[in-house]
Amino acid sequence: AQSVAQPEDQVNVAEGNPLTVKCTYSVSGNPYLFWYVQYPNRGLQFLLKYITGDNLVKGSYGFEAEFNKSQTSFHLKKPSALVSDSALYFCAVRDEEDSSYKLIFGSGTRLLVRP
Amino acid sequence: NAGVTQTPKFRVLKTGQSMTLLCAQDMNHEYMYWYRQDPGMGLRLIHYSVGEGTTAKGEVPDGYNVSRLKKQNFLLGLESAAPSQTSVYFCAITRLAGTDTQYFGPGTRLTVL
Repeated sequence: AQSVAQPEDQVNVAEGNPLTVKCTYSVSGNPYLFWYVQYPNRGLQFLLKYITGDNLVKGSYGFEAEFNKSQTSFHLKKPSALVSDSALYFCAVRDEEDSSYKLIFGSGTRLLVRP
Repeated sequence: NAGVTQTPKFRVLKTGQSMTLLCAQDMNHEYMYWYRQDPGMGLRLIHYSVGEGTTAKGEVPDGYNVSRLKKQNFLLGLESAAPSQTSVYFCAITRLAGTDTQYFGPGTRLTVL
């Protein structure tokens, strides 16, 4: 069965510092991995995804994520955090073989960037 | 929101009442999904559809029904609402043609008293 774990309910970081939001996954086949962001009272916005190729994926708003197959991880990173990055972040996975394109989501990590 | 709209935006129901949530898309996408979002639990898939006239159960289908009579619309029904169905409901589509990415509607906040 597919699953996603986001071990941190909340991540606190000072503006200008690097940030990391952790995600680990479990799928039976090859993973397709996604990060989404949710601002208050809004829907989910797509940030980036890994399907194949380079393990370092770059996405919107300066975010990037690193795929690590041996550790089954897909951590979200940003070199310099902004207060406006404060939001709820979700990691999601689907199995490459799943023809319905269903996503399994983690429980979410709240990022708080303090000025 | 990739052309995905949801109606209504907010709704308050009493226990036992019924209602239908509408998800509409204007881009001819085949794949549509209904999720619910609850604090600390992320998004959980309720039902999904891989094309007009088809539906399938997701992770938490109990208490919900769906229909996809027209390709553009995916309806989520609650026949007899319960307080446990208080949640935020999101509709999503998968955009294929190389991107293989899900895009979400703005959500419906439902409260069942």
